[in-house]
Amino acid sequence: AQKITQTQPGMFVQEKEAVTLDCTYDTSDQSYGLFWYKQPSSGEMIFLIYQGSYDEQNATEGRYSLNFQKARKSANLVISASQLGDSAMYFCAMRTNSGGSNYKLTFGKGTLLTVNP
Amino acid sequence: NAGVTQTPKFQVLKTGQSMTLQCAQDMNHEYMSWYRQDPGMGLRLIHYSVGAGITDQGEVPNGYNVSRSTTEDFPLRLLSAAPSQTSVYFCASSRAIGQPQHFGDGTRLSIL
Repeated sequence: AQKITQTQPGMFVQEKEAVTLDCTYDTSDQSYGLFWYKQPSSGEMIFLIYQGSYDEQNATEGRYSLNFQKARKSANLVISASQLGDSAMYFCAMRTNSGGSNYKLTFGKGTLLTVNP
Repeated sequence: NAGVTQTPKFQVLKTGQSMTLQCAQDMNHEYMSWYRQDPGMGLRLIHYSVGAGITDQGEVPNGYNVSRSTTEDFPLRLLSAAPSQTSVYFCASSRAIGQPQHFGDGTRLSIL
């Protein structure tokens, strides 16, 4: 069974500092994808970054980078130079596809990040 | 750019009532899905569709029906609402399976 674990219910970081949000996953599929989404207090879901299981380079998108360690089954999100607007809930998610339309997308329970001025 | 549009934004129902949550996207995306978000549970996949005329069950499909008669629309039906279906519902779409999804703003549903 597919499973995403986010062990940090809440995190605090000072403005302008970097922060790492942890995500570990479990799947027996060889092909899968990992996503991070941001959910501000307003409620919308915003896509941040994607890493495919066969991608050799860690994904980066502006201030976001994904620290992908396949052997450890971890896909941690690193936010550099935190801003007050980064305060939000962050979700790690995994896409698995065993073939055809047998598609599953599993979300973790989220980490609430608070950026302090 | 409308993106993914969900209606209504808020709804209160009585137990046993039926209703349809609407979802429409204008990006010509093949893949669409419905999630529910409950406190402390993250998002859970209810149903998804890989194209017009094709739907499949996700993790928590019981009590919900879907259909996909057009590429643009993917309504979610509650046939007989139960208090356990009180939740925030999100519709999402993507160009293809496995691609990053665009989410609607959500529908907050309360069942009394």
